[in-house]
Order: sequence, then C-alpha cells, then structure tokens
Amino acid sequence: QQQVKQSPQSLIVQKGGIPIINCAYENTAFDYFPWYQQFPGKGPALLIAIRPDVSEKKEGRFTISFNKSAKQFSLHIMDSQPGDSATYFCAASKGAQKLVFGQGTRLTINP
Amino acid sequence: DAEITQSPRHKITETGRQVTLACHQTWNHNNMFWYRQDLGHGLRLIHYSYGVQDTNKGEVSDGYSVSRSNTEDLPLTLESAASSQTSVYFCASSEGGTRIHEQFFGPGTRLTVL
Repeated sequence: QQQVKQSPQSLIVQKGGIPIINCAYENTAFDYFPWYQQFPGKGPALLIAIRPDVSEKKEGRFTISFNKSAKQFSLHIMDSQPGDSATYFCAASKGAQKLVFGQGTRLTINP
Repeated sequence: DAEITQSPRHKITETGRQVTLACHQTWNHNNMFWYRQDLGHGLRLIHYSYGVQDTNKGEVSDGYSVSRSNTEDLPLTLESAASSQTSVYFCASSEGGTRIHEQFFGPGTRLTVL
C-alpha cells in the first residue's frame, strides 16, 4: 500500500526556474517528512526535512512547504542549476518507525 | 572517514541461485536497512534491523532474508533468485534516538537475474 504519493514522475526546468515537486500522504500520524536527493549511480542522500509543527523550512536554495490540513508537502528549488539535476524522493514516518518513500521525481535542469 | 559500503556493485546471476549482497558500515549505527529501487516504485523497504540479533520484515520481504551478527554488517540473501528480483539494492544506516530517520545510504548494488 503506497502511503506517500509523489508527483510529477519527471520534470524539466530551465536554469534559474523554480521546480516544484509535490507529495501527498494518508496517515495523519506521520510526524517527520524528509526529502532525499539521488545522483545517477549514487545512493540517496538526505537533503532537507520538516516536522508538522512548522509550515515552511528553508535550507539554502531548497524549501519545504507543508500543508497539514491538506496532507501535502512540497519541495521548491530556487534559482535551479544544472547541478541540481537528480532524482528526488519524499518520505514520511511516524515516531521512531521506518520511513515510507514516494515514487521519486527525475528532475532535469537545462542550461 | 566513516562510510557505508556495498559489494558487489554489480551482479548477474541465474534464476534459482542463492545470492548474498554485503553491506558494511563504519558509522557504528545501530539501525540498518535494505531497500530495493525500481522505476515507478521508489524505494521499498525489504528488511531492517535495530541492533545485533534484531531483524524485521519490511514491505517487500518475500524471497529475502537478513541476519545481524555484529553492528557493522547486514548481509541480504536472496534464497532462490527470481527475475522479479532484478533491481538496484541499497543499504542504509542511521543512529538511534532523534536522528533515527537521518539515513545514510550506500552506493547500491545492481542485480540482474537471468
């Protein structure tokens, strides 16, 4: 059962644009929402994470927006660069339980 | 520097053979995880361990087994490989407590079952 749905599956943006990747979850008990970034041939790496007590978190050019009532959260990348081209995964967890990952979004930033 | 390694990086095997994928971490993390990555499915959890002698089934555990005899290693065994197990396999580890969800991933093993 897929508890975290991610969209779009792929996304192409011009350099400097703001790609937005969306995730929706079902389990209202989830309390930790991370995003992982994966470059080709590498394992995923934690990029940024948020807890439901805040609506937004920024780290450099990366921002998570969180909408608790809609059970949705999204990743925005400001001033995107070709080096941001990667696959992005959202995830969610409850307490100390295991992470549930979304399906992934392959992002391409064209020069 | 601490790291997490996987071996082999690439493996081709035949249907019905037993295969073991190795995962070794030097972070001294208690928690270790095995995932498989398939297009359209993201990362799906196969097995996980919260410490020595502890193992638990994940979302897609059928046909796989793990054992945890020390902190550093969590080998994944495919008892009788099937073509449906062709995938990229990732091992991950994390600390306990408040950092339990900050998982560090290995480089992956690409397994092909013919």
